[in-house]
Amino acid sequence: DAMVIQNPRYQVTQFGKPVTLSCSQTLNHNVMYWYQQKSSQAPKLLFHYYDKDFNNEADTPDNFQSRRPNTSFCFLDIRSPGLGDAAMYLCATSRGGLSGGIQYFGAGTRLSVL
Amino acid sequence: AQSVTQPDIHITVSEGASLELRCNYSYGATPYLFWYVQSPGQGLQLLLKYFSGDTLVQGIKGFEAEFKRSQSSFNLRKPSVHWSDAAEYFCAVGASGDMRFGAGTRLTVKP
Repeated sequence: DAMVIQNPRYQVTQFGKPVTLSCSQTLNHNVMYWYQQKSSQAPKLLFHYYDKDFNNEADTPDNFQSRRPNTSFCFLDIRSPGLGDAAMYLCATSRGGLSGGIQYFGAGTRLSVL
Repeated sequence: AQSVTQPDIHITVSEGASLELRCNYSYGATPYLFWYVQSPGQGLQLLLKYFSGDTLVQGIKGFEAEFKRSQSSFNLRKPSVHWSDAAEYFCAVGASGDMRFGAGTRLTVKP
């Protein structure tokens, strides 16, 4: 029944060790987003894909990359995680276009960096 | 630039009492407005949205919100709060690919 699925729910990595977070959707939406949410803060948009077009936020560090191999899947790669990258990472989707707007969120992946 | 302000960081209400969470926005055009709720350790769930038309919108779980253009506000209300409503509430403004969230209001419900 879940429409936006994030795996894993909890991820522990070591300082500097690359890590990949996964998101899949069954909604066939054009747009997929990655947000970073630190404790007691609002979600912060890192980047989004509109179909295959990648849109990076200006202040997203180069350490964060993303891949979207097909409509259903999107990955967040953190090349060299630092302690400051420990956060909840949220994936969202939307239909896109002028009639789009509603974003549907996954349950998130909580990343710990040791 | 668009922005959202939620003036109240934390609100505590008694179960059964009414609730109003405030949201003010800044946006260059007619905004799309949203309220999302987030339970601890979970993603965000859409409560309601305003795109156009009737300025009083109904959402899930008994919530409603009123769009007031003159005040640039989109306050969330519920007439009687349940213990299960304890969560973080986010107001957001924008459209696809360009959404901005407020800092959130944490709701605590007293028995």
